[in-house]
Amino acid sequence: AQSVTQPDIHITVSEGASLELRCNYSYGATPYLFWYVQSPGQGLQLLLKYFSGDTLVQGIKGFEAEFKRSQSSFNLRKPSVHWSDAAEYFCAVAFRGGGGNKLTFGTGTQLKVEL
Amino acid sequence: NAGVTQTPKFQVLKTGQSMTLQCAQDMNHEYMSWYRQDPGMGLRLIHYSVGAGITDQGEVPNGYNVSRSTTEDFPLRLLSAAPSQTSVYFCASLGTGTHEQYFGPGTRLTVT
Repeated sequence: AQSVTQPDIHITVSEGASLELRCNYSYGATPYLFWYVQSPGQGLQLLLKYFSGDTLVQGIKGFEAEFKRSQSSFNLRKPSVHWSDAAEYFCAVAFRGGGGNKLTFGTGTQLKVEL
Repeated sequence: NAGVTQTPKFQVLKTGQSMTLQCAQDMNHEYMSWYRQDPGMGLRLIHYSVGAGITDQGEVPNGYNVSRSTTEDFPLRLLSAAPSQTSVYFCASLGTGTHEQYFGPGTRLTVT
Protein backbone atom coordinates (compact mmCIF):
# COMPACT_ATOMS: atom_id res chain seq x y z
CA ALA A 1 0.00 0.00 0.00
CA GLN A 2 1.16 3.48 -0.72
CA SER A 3 2.22 5.63 2.20
CA VAL A 4 3.41 9.16 2.80
CA THR A 5 5.90 10.21 5.47
CA GLN A 6 6.34 13.71 6.78
CA PRO A 7 9.14 13.24 9.30
CA ASP A 8 8.84 16.64 10.96
CA ILE A 9 5.78 17.05 13.16
CA HIS A 10 6.64 20.61 14.16
CA ILE A 11 8.99 23.15 12.61
CA THR A 12 9.76 26.65 13.87
CA VAL A 13 11.44 29.23 11.67
CA SER A 14 12.07 32.94 11.98
CA GLU A 15 10.25 35.28 9.67
CA GLY A 16 12.37 35.90 6.61
CA ALA A 17 14.25 32.62 6.92
CA SER A 18 14.06 29.89 4.33
CA LEU A 19 11.87 26.84 4.77
CA GLU A 20 11.97 23.24 3.64
CA LEU A 21 9.31 20.71 4.59
CA ARG A 22 10.11 17.11 3.86
CA CYS A 23 7.88 14.52 2.24
CA ASN A 24 8.74 10.97 1.24
CA TYR A 25 6.39 8.46 -0.34
CA SER A 26 6.42 4.74 -0.69
CA TYR A 27 4.91 3.39 -3.85
CA GLY A 28 5.87 1.19 -6.78
CA ALA A 29 5.45 3.91 -9.38
CA THR A 30 5.49 7.67 -9.41
CA PRO A 31 2.18 8.89 -8.07
CA TYR A 32 0.53 12.25 -8.44
CA LEU A 33 1.99 14.49 -5.72
CA PHE A 34 0.38 17.35 -3.86
CA TRP A 35 1.01 19.83 -1.08
CA TYR A 36 -1.92 21.29 0.84
CA VAL A 37 -1.98 23.97 3.53
CA GLN A 38 -4.48 24.24 6.34
CA SER A 39 -4.83 27.35 8.47
CA PRO A 40 -6.37 26.92 11.94
CA GLY A 41 -10.05 26.06 11.73
CA GLN A 42 -10.00 26.15 7.95
CA GLY A 43 -10.25 23.68 5.11
CA LEU A 44 -7.42 22.56 2.88
CA GLN A 45 -5.98 24.73 0.15
CA LEU A 46 -3.89 23.28 -2.65
CA LEU A 47 -0.43 24.85 -2.79
CA LEU A 48 0.98 22.96 -5.74
CA LYS A 49 0.95 19.65 -7.56
CA TYR A 50 3.18 17.45 -9.67
CA PHE A 51 1.87 15.21 -12.40
CA SER A 52 4.71 14.98 -14.90
CA GLY A 53 7.33 17.06 -16.68
CA ASP A 54 9.55 19.59 -14.96
CA THR A 55 10.47 18.26 -11.54
CA LEU A 56 10.52 21.72 -9.96
CA VAL A 57 6.98 23.01 -9.63
CA GLN A 58 5.84 26.42 -8.60
CA GLY A 59 2.79 27.01 -6.49
CA ILE A 60 0.85 29.76 -4.85
CA LYS A 61 2.10 32.05 -2.10
CA GLY A 62 5.71 31.76 -3.27
CA PHE A 63 6.05 28.04 -2.55
CA GLU A 64 7.84 25.54 -4.74
CA ALA A 65 8.49 21.82 -4.54
CA GLU A 66 10.97 19.51 -6.17
CA PHE A 67 10.21 15.94 -7.15
CA LYS A 68 13.20 13.61 -6.82
CA ARG A 69 12.42 10.19 -8.20
CA SER A 70 15.62 8.60 -6.86
CA GLN A 71 14.76 9.67 -3.33
CA SER A 72 10.97 9.23 -3.59
CA SER A 73 10.69 12.73 -2.22
CA PHE A 74 8.63 15.83 -2.89
CA ASN A 75 9.96 18.51 -0.53
CA LEU A 76 8.27 21.87 -0.19
CA ARG A 77 10.37 25.04 -0.07
CA LYS A 78 10.00 28.75 0.36
CA PRO A 79 12.96 31.16 0.24
CA SER A 80 11.58 33.67 2.76
CA VAL A 81 8.82 32.79 5.21
CA HIS A 82 6.16 35.28 6.21
CA TRP A 83 4.30 35.24 9.53
CA SER A 84 1.11 34.43 7.63
CA ASP A 85 2.63 31.12 6.50
CA ALA A 86 2.11 29.67 9.98
CA ALA A 87 -0.21 26.73 9.36
CA GLU A 88 -0.24 22.98 8.99
CA TYR A 89 1.11 21.53 5.76
CA PHE A 90 0.13 18.19 4.29
CA CYS A 91 1.82 16.20 1.58
CA ALA A 92 -0.48 13.83 -0.34
CA VAL A 93 -0.16 11.27 -3.12
CA ALA A 94 -2.63 9.61 -5.45
CA PHE A 95 -2.36 6.43 -7.48
CA ARG A 96 -2.16 7.23 -11.19
CA GLY A 97 -4.05 4.15 -12.30
CA GLY A 98 -7.07 5.14 -10.25
CA GLY A 99 -7.36 8.47 -11.99
CA GLY A 100 -5.66 10.26 -9.17
CA ASN A 101 -8.80 10.24 -7.11
CA LYS A 102 -7.99 8.62 -3.78
CA LEU A 103 -5.56 10.75 -1.84
CA THR A 104 -3.22 9.34 0.79
CA PHE A 105 -2.06 12.04 3.18
CA GLY A 106 0.96 12.40 5.35
CA THR A 107 0.45 13.18 9.01
CA GLY A 108 1.24 16.85 8.52
CA THR A 109 3.89 19.35 9.61
CA GLN A 110 2.89 22.21 11.87
CA LEU A 111 4.81 25.36 10.97
CA LYS A 112 5.36 28.08 13.54
CA VAL A 113 6.85 31.39 12.47
CA GLU A 114 8.72 33.50 15.01
CA LEU A 115 8.68 37.25 14.52
CA ASN B 1 -19.77 29.04 -7.93
CA ALA B 2 -19.98 28.18 -4.25
CA GLY B 3 -17.58 25.26 -4.75
CA VAL B 4 -17.92 22.52 -2.14
CA THR B 5 -20.23 23.30 0.76
CA GLN B 6 -20.72 21.34 3.97
CA THR B 7 -23.33 21.56 6.70
CA PRO B 8 -23.35 21.79 9.60
CA LYS B 9 -20.07 23.42 10.61
CA PHE B 10 -20.27 22.05 14.14
CA GLN B 11 -22.26 19.23 15.70
CA VAL B 12 -22.38 17.54 19.08
CA LEU B 13 -23.96 14.12 19.34
CA LYS B 14 -24.54 11.67 22.12
CA THR B 15 -23.34 8.09 21.74
CA GLY B 16 -25.85 6.09 19.75
CA GLN B 17 -27.47 9.02 17.97
CA SER B 18 -27.57 9.18 14.21
CA MET B 19 -27.03 12.09 11.89
CA THR B 20 -26.19 13.03 8.33
CA LEU B 21 -23.39 15.32 7.28
CA GLN B 22 -24.30 17.16 4.12
CA CYS B 23 -21.99 17.87 1.21
CA ALA B 24 -22.82 19.59 -2.04
CA GLN B 25 -20.84 20.84 -5.02
CA ASP B 26 -21.92 23.02 -7.91
CA MET B 27 -19.06 22.28 -10.29
CA ASN B 28 -20.64 19.23 -11.94
CA HIS B 29 -17.83 17.03 -10.64
CA GLU B 30 -18.32 13.31 -10.97
CA TYR B 31 -15.96 12.23 -8.21
CA MET B 32 -16.67 13.07 -4.58
CA SER B 33 -15.18 11.79 -1.37
CA TRP B 34 -15.28 12.02 2.41
CA TYR B 35 -12.22 12.24 4.65
CA ARG B 36 -11.82 12.44 8.38
CA GLN B 37 -9.02 14.36 10.04
CA ASP B 38 -7.64 13.35 13.42
CA PRO B 39 -4.66 14.89 15.24
CA GLY B 40 -1.39 13.32 14.21
CA MET B 41 -3.02 11.15 11.56
CA GLY B 42 -3.57 13.46 8.63
CA LEU B 43 -6.69 12.87 6.56
CA ARG B 44 -8.05 9.41 5.88
CA LEU B 45 -10.50 8.43 3.18
CA ILE B 46 -13.87 7.15 4.43
CA HIS B 47 -15.97 6.67 1.28
CA TYR B 48 -15.93 7.92 -2.25
CA SER B 49 -18.15 8.04 -5.31
CA VAL B 50 -17.21 8.09 -8.99
CA GLY B 51 -20.66 9.22 -10.08
CA ALA B 52 -24.35 9.17 -9.26
CA GLY B 53 -25.37 5.75 -8.01
CA ILE B 54 -21.81 4.50 -7.52
CA THR B 55 -20.03 4.49 -4.17
CA ASP B 56 -17.16 2.55 -2.66
CA GLN B 57 -15.27 2.22 0.58
CA GLY B 58 -12.08 3.98 1.47
CA GLU B 59 -9.57 3.31 4.20
CA VAL B 60 -11.84 3.79 7.25
CA PRO B 61 -15.46 3.04 6.22
CA ASN B 62 -16.76 1.31 9.35
CA GLY B 63 -19.63 3.14 11.05
CA TYR B 64 -20.42 5.30 8.03
CA ASN B 65 -22.83 5.00 5.11
CA VAL B 66 -23.04 7.03 1.93
CA SER B 67 -25.26 7.29 -1.09
CA ARG B 68 -25.10 9.36 -4.27
CA SER B 69 -28.47 9.99 -5.83
CA THR B 70 -27.42 13.16 -7.67
CA THR B 71 -24.18 14.52 -9.06
CA GLU B 72 -24.32 17.48 -6.68
CA ASP B 73 -24.89 15.81 -3.31
CA PHE B 74 -22.92 13.25 -1.33
CA PRO B 75 -24.20 12.90 2.24
CA LEU B 76 -22.37 10.95 4.94
CA ARG B 77 -24.50 9.10 7.49
CA LEU B 78 -23.52 8.04 10.97
CA LEU B 79 -26.04 5.40 11.98
CA SER B 80 -25.01 5.05 15.63
CA ALA B 81 -22.42 7.59 16.68
CA ALA B 82 -19.47 6.52 18.82
CA PRO B 83 -16.86 8.65 20.63
CA SER B 84 -14.26 7.27 18.19
CA GLN B 85 -16.05 9.19 15.45
CA THR B 86 -15.20 12.52 17.06
CA SER B 87 -13.27 14.17 14.26
CA VAL B 88 -13.28 16.85 11.61
CA TYR B 89 -14.92 15.68 8.39
CA PHE B 90 -14.04 17.02 4.98
CA CYS B 91 -15.85 16.49 1.74
CA ALA B 92 -14.02 16.91 -1.56
CA SER B 93 -14.78 16.79 -5.26
CA LEU B 94 -12.63 16.30 -8.34
CA GLY B 95 -13.42 17.09 -11.93
CA THR B 96 -13.10 14.47 -14.64
CA GLY B 97 -9.77 14.77 -16.43
CA THR B 98 -8.18 16.77 -13.65
CA HIS B 99 -6.38 15.46 -10.63
CA GLU B 100 -7.05 18.34 -8.29
CA GLN B 101 -9.49 17.89 -5.45
CA TYR B 102 -11.45 20.78 -4.00
CA PHE B 103 -12.19 20.54 -0.29
CA GLY B 104 -15.13 21.87 1.64
CA PRO B 105 -14.68 23.88 4.86
CA GLY B 106 -15.25 20.86 7.12
CA THR B 107 -17.64 19.73 9.82
CA ARG B 108 -16.36 19.42 13.37
CA LEU B 109 -18.18 16.55 15.08
CA THR B 110 -18.00 15.72 18.77
CA VAL B 111 -19.57 12.53 20.13
CA THR B 112 -19.98 12.40 23.90
